[in-house]
Amino acid sequence: ETGVTQTPRHLVMGMTNKKSLKCEQHLGHNAMYWYKQSAKKPLELMFVYSLEERVENNSVPSRFSPECPNSSHLFLHLHTLQPEDSALYLCASSQGAMDTDTQYFGPGTRLTVL
Amino acid sequence: GDSVTQMEGPVTLSEEAFLTINCTYTATGYPSLFWYVQYPGEGLQLLLKATKADDKGSNKGFEATYRKETTSFHLEKGSVQVSDSAVYFCALSAGSGAGSYQLTFGKGTKLSVIP
Repeated sequence: ETGVTQTPRHLVMGMTNKKSLKCEQHLGHNAMYWYKQSAKKPLELMFVYSLEERVENNSVPSRFSPECPNSSHLFLHLHTLQPEDSALYLCASSQGAMDTDTQYFGPGTRLTVL
Repeated sequence: GDSVTQMEGPVTLSEEAFLTINCTYTATGYPSLFWYVQYPGEGLQLLLKATKADDKGSNKGFEATYRKETTSFHLEKGSVQVSDSAVYFCALSAGSGAGSYQLTFGKGTKLSVIP
């Protein structure tokens, strides 16, 4: 595997389910990100981890819970979601957490909440 | 706060036509500017970037010049191909210092190139 991978690619869940999204980067980077891409809206940054510590949490509801066990892996735990949470969830990584560090994106997980 | 405005799509062009996708921004300080491309079913890929005024980013025949005086970063390509069909996102990062990793994206412009 190369680059940034995400699993699953598609997920359908009910509002009472608990599921997790997984992201893995094979680039030796130190920063990882979760973004939400909704139709007709700009990409929204959700969480940022740098050296496995959370450095950003953009007012995301607590039903989204990130976890970064090491610099290569990032999870997004989901519980009690709402239909409006249906979106494409993108993971990204970069060497550092500065503006000059290019962010590399995974293919995303298409989430549908019924 | 920072913001990015790019032309609404969709844009439909014939193969070998000239492409311009307009992008303007509002930011404090001296942001870096980016164009990302998203092909169907894939994540975003960095297409090109510019980190200071008058810099020109280029890649795969695409170009964009960082114009501080007009706060613009328009994307251009002289001759598009069917394989260029994708959604294009303009983005900026908030200069240097704390939080500078934060990318602010435009809404995206869908380009369709027909043979």
